[in-house]
Amino acid sequence: QSALTQPRSVSGSPGQSVTISCTGTSSDVGVYNYVSWYQQHPGKAPKLMIYDVSKRPSGVPDRFSGSNSGNTASLTISGLHAEDEADYFCCSYAGSYTFVLFGGGTKLTVL
Amino acid sequence: EVQLLESGGGLVQPGGSLRLSCAASGFTFSNYAMTWVRQAPGKGLEWVSAISVTSVDTFYADSVKGRFTISRDNSKNTLYLRMSSLRAEDTAIYYCSKDRRSAVAPAVSLDSWGQGTLVTVSS
Repeated sequence: QSALTQPRSVSGSPGQSVTISCTGTSSDVGVYNYVSWYQQHPGKAPKLMIYDVSKRPSGVPDRFSGSNSGNTASLTISGLHAEDEADYFCCSYAGSYTFVLFGGGTKLTVL
Repeated sequence: EVQLLESGGGLVQPGGSLRLSCAASGFTFSNYAMTWVRQAPGKGLEWVSAISVTSVDTFYADSVKGRFTISRDNSKNTLYLRMSSLRAEDTAIYYCSKDRRSAVAPAVSLDSWGQGTLVTVSS
């Protein structure tokens, strides 16, 4: 099964909001409320930012929020900070056969 | 503090084998499902395999099915990934990760990650 589809890059200025989309199918994003988002800075391990579509782990700023609609999940970052510049990956459960899919990743640039 | 420390990576010839280990500390290892995720150089994340707390249930990506085996030793707080029939396309950093849940599915809420171990498959 193909990876989830994300835009290759997005950008925004400090203080602005950006939204990263993650498009799947009716076999993954569209049917399971098990979408997560990971932030990865260069040379570092990924960090969980959102799980179960819209839940934030302890310690993640509430500037980060998640949602979904149909086959597309979204990560919104409000009030951009310079340190938000990173790669972001979405991830979805895809059933007991395919199991887990990642998106191709989106590079966020803070201008 | 949760710590995951991978080891066992290195250079291996195509067709060769390697076993990765992940030593866990700072949490009750036997209570959580565990997952391996890899990242080829300059590429995105790829889910590889997941294992339940009791090792009864294991799952694999199609790209590694039949060649990789995930296992765990709860008495040693260690996760393993046995890789055989390695191919050039298996070259990647391999990350060990802890799930927020004890259940192996849906295996997407990975709240702690190691720093990874690099596997290079080349002649």
